[in-house]
Amino acid sequence: QKEVEQNSGPLSVPEGAIASLNCTYSDRGSQSFFWYRQYSGKSPELIMFIYSNGDKEDGRFTAQLNKASQYVSLLIRDSQPSDSATYLCAVNSNSGYALNFGKGTSLLVTP
Amino acid sequence: DADVTQTPRNRITKTGKRIMLECSQTKGHDRMYWYRQDPGLGLRLIYYSFDVKDINKGEISDGYSVSRQAQAKFSLSLESAIPNQTALYFCATSQTNSNQPQHFGDGTRLSIL
Repeated sequence: QKEVEQNSGPLSVPEGAIASLNCTYSDRGSQSFFWYRQYSGKSPELIMFIYSNGDKEDGRFTAQLNKASQYVSLLIRDSQPSDSATYLCAVNSNSGYALNFGKGTSLLVTP
Repeated sequence: DADVTQTPRNRITKTGKRIMLECSQTKGHDRMYWYRQDPGLGLRLIYYSFDVKDINKGEISDGYSVSRQAQAKFSLSLESAIPNQTALYFCATSQTNSNQPQHFGDGTRLSIL
């Protein structure tokens, strides 16, 4: 079973702070990594993807990948109350038929 | 208009009824997926299709069937609905390359009484 693990939270951060969300995966053959944001009752929305070791920045979001340690993280700078949502980590490999999703981390940004 | 459209958005029905959830996409993607989401259990894959003639079971296919009527259409059926199939159902699509992300429809909230 190819596992993707996330802390369920809730992770609570004050407005303006950096939120750090982490994800570990078990399949060493994993090649592509995605972060989705999901508001309650809504569909998952892709916010970041990363394929190579290191950091990838997009606006207030930074994805970090460390394949040797098998973890991927998402940093949200200057967190806003509108960032309060569940963040899903998803992982795929070249031999995979579909994405493996973690169960998500709930983020709460308090004013 | 949404790229991935699911109908209906909400459905309440009774145990034993046959239900069909429909998904259509304008993204031109070959791959389509059906997931269900339950609180605390995350997204679970029901069926997936890589093209019209390639349909595969996911991790929780029992009690469900699918039909890929065209590249753009993928429907999910519950032949005889039961209460534990009450969930939020999502359709997703992706390009052929397995490194590409999936794009989700808005979901169908299904309640079975």
